Amino acid sequence: QSVLTQPPSASGTPGQRVTISCSGSSSNIGSNYVHWYQQLPGRAPRALIYNNHQRPSGVPDRFSGSKSGTSASLAISGLRSEDEADYYCAGWDDSLSGWVFGGGTKLTVV
Amino acid sequence: ELQLLESGGGLVQPGGSLRLSCAASGFTFSSFAMSWVRQTPGKGLEWVSGISGSDGSADYADSVKGRFTISRDNSKNTLYLQMSSLRADDTAVYYCAKGAFLAVPGRIDIWGQGTMVTVSS
Repeated sequence: QSVLTQPPSASGTPGQRVTISCSGSSSNIGSNYVHWYQQLPGRAPRALIYNNHQRPSGVPDRFSGSKSGTSASLAISGLRSEDEADYYCAGWDDSLSGWVFGGGTKLTVV
Repeated sequence: ELQLLESGGGLVQPGGSLRLSCAASGFTFSSFAMSWVRQTPGKGLEWVSGISGSDGSADYADSVKGRFTISRDNSKNTLYLQMSSLRADDTAVYYCAKGAFLAVPGRIDIWGQGTMVTVSS
């Protein structure tokens, strides 16, 4: 049972826009930044969105993030087959004094 | 090029010990917090432990507190995770991860490729 809650799966067709939600609480998302990581099959995670909505260099602007209260979301527009991956939200939890992750959302491009 | 290279994984019996290492290169190691994050096969990510870049203060997940010890040698640009009293549910890929700041609560920005730890008799 992950501290942050994500839907286990999402899907879309090429060119479509999909969103992935992440729900937390006042001790994590509600009081700290949310970060998103992409994990391609068989690969290590890589940073996709940081500080709620910032993109590291090299990440296409098709990826965007937002946060409101104790929830956050990742949006992917212009969906491509190479976007098929697992997506994880993460944040620092002040009560646990540690990083917490969502359970991950497996994105399928059909 | 910034790189994190884990080593030390393998097969260990329940109750045994193992030490993981992470060799860092391409950045000023002592200026950044480091963490270990694990991933059970086919499942999600779980933060295990983190250590600050400066004073070496450490935090642990409740699931490993008292059994695992994180440390770093800034002169060798290396992060360690000493694991003892290992259990079957510690079986996972262990990732070394770099923080973006000195303190552990700063975001994680770079991940290593991971090393597999299997706890089984």
